[in-house]
Amino acid sequence: GDSVTQMEGPVTLSEEAFLTINCTYTATGYPSLFWYVQYPGEGLQLLLKATKADDKGSNKGFEATYRKETTSFHLEKGSVQVSDSAVYFCALSPNTGTASKLTFGTGTRLQVTL
Amino acid sequence: KAGVTQTPRYLIKTRGQQVTLSCSPISGHRSVSWYQQTPGQGLQFLFEYFSETQRNKGNFPGRFSGRQFSNSRSEMNVSTLELGDSALYLCASSLTGGFSYNEQFFGPGTRLTVL
Repeated sequence: GDSVTQMEGPVTLSEEAFLTINCTYTATGYPSLFWYVQYPGEGLQLLLKATKADDKGSNKGFEATYRKETTSFHLEKGSVQVSDSAVYFCALSPNTGTASKLTFGTGTRLQVTL
Repeated sequence: KAGVTQTPRYLIKTRGQQVTLSCSPISGHRSVSWYQQTPGQGLQFLFEYFSETQRNKGNFPGRFSGRQFSNSRSEMNVSTLELGDSALYLCASSLTGGFSYNEQFFGPGTRLTVL
């Protein structure tokens, strides 16, 4: 079945540091890929998405590129802020049949300090 | 446009009881999906409803059930609660779901605690 593997956290960075959170996936066909963010006490918010190979999703300074050859969708940000502290989830959705069924990674907690 | 709303936000029940959670999707959205979030298992898909029909189902026991009304509002029910059902239950809505990508918008969740 489909699965998503993302790096264990927590990740602790100083403000303005570079962020990378690794995500790899296993799926049949060509899924859509997502990064969601969850702030304390809240639900999930879509951060960015990519629906086909080589697409780059970007939002609020975060970027991720859909790499079919390495089945990866790593999240990056050039300069993190304290307000970026949250839990980040990589997820995939099949593009056929059950597109509404998101499969999530375990989440990576990011803590940014001054 | 109002987002996905879930009620109640917090719930405390005891083992053996049953519980009903409610989700109102974004206006115009016809697909509603439910997820369970726990520290041990992470985020797991429960089921999806579209046009009042369950379209997809995850690997949960029959104690977990749901339904969708003609106005797309959805409820999920858990019967004979167990301690392990303590979780954050998230609802997500999308325009149509199904065979092609439709962005899912999540509600804030209902925090269920089973004592």
